[in-house]
Amino acid sequence: EPEVTQTPSHQVTQMGQEVILRCVPISNHLYFYWYRQILGQKVEFLVSFYNNEISEKSEIFDDQFSVERPDGSNFTLKIRSTKLEDSAMYFCASRSQNHGEAFFGQGTRLTVV
Amino acid sequence: QKEVEQNSGPLSVPEGAIASLNCTYSDRVSQSFFWYRQYSGKSPELIMSIYSNGDKEDGRFTAQLNKASQYVSLLIRDSQPSDSATYLCAVGNNNDMRFGAGTRLTVKP
Repeated sequence: EPEVTQTPSHQVTQMGQEVILRCVPISNHLYFYWYRQILGQKVEFLVSFYNNEISEKSEIFDDQFSVERPDGSNFTLKIRSTKLEDSAMYFCASRSQNHGEAFFGQGTRLTVV
Repeated sequence: QKEVEQNSGPLSVPEGAIASLNCTYSDRVSQSFFWYRQYSGKSPELIMSIYSNGDKEDGRFTAQLNKASQYVSLLIRDSQPSDSATYLCAVGNNNDMRFGAGTRLTVKP
């Protein structure tokens, strides 16, 4: 069964460092998303991406964040200068059509020390 | 502001009972509605989607949507201990999908 794959599963980084979280969406999907979930809190929308551009972003997705689809399979989230409060689970999701069902990867746990 | 509200719970039901989970949303133009299940430390897992007013049944799960009242619900019949998890309501628009805070369900044997 096709699935969304995220790497790494866990990343520890020092405050101020750049991190890149990677996702391989389901192959025929066209819409891609990043979410984060701080421990014990809700799943928060960060950004949606379609046709090689950002469709929508939340107030969380500030200039420290960027997304890219560098090739036909990967979808990345970059945090330029990490802060302690960026520590969270980051989930990638994809869907085949707008308003369709979205499927999530297993997540990357980011710990900023 | 696109808000999705759920009772945080915890909701506790005995094995075999019906669990009822509720969700309201603020954005009237929302077009797609989903229920996800999340086990501790895991990613959200899709249970059901619903797009039209009324009921949609899938096995032990029934989703109900009332767009006029901006209300979505999920009924779990014959609840099992393995259903114990946090249930997330998600509401979608053209370019995003927003989650409620989730309701923690415990099914007691």
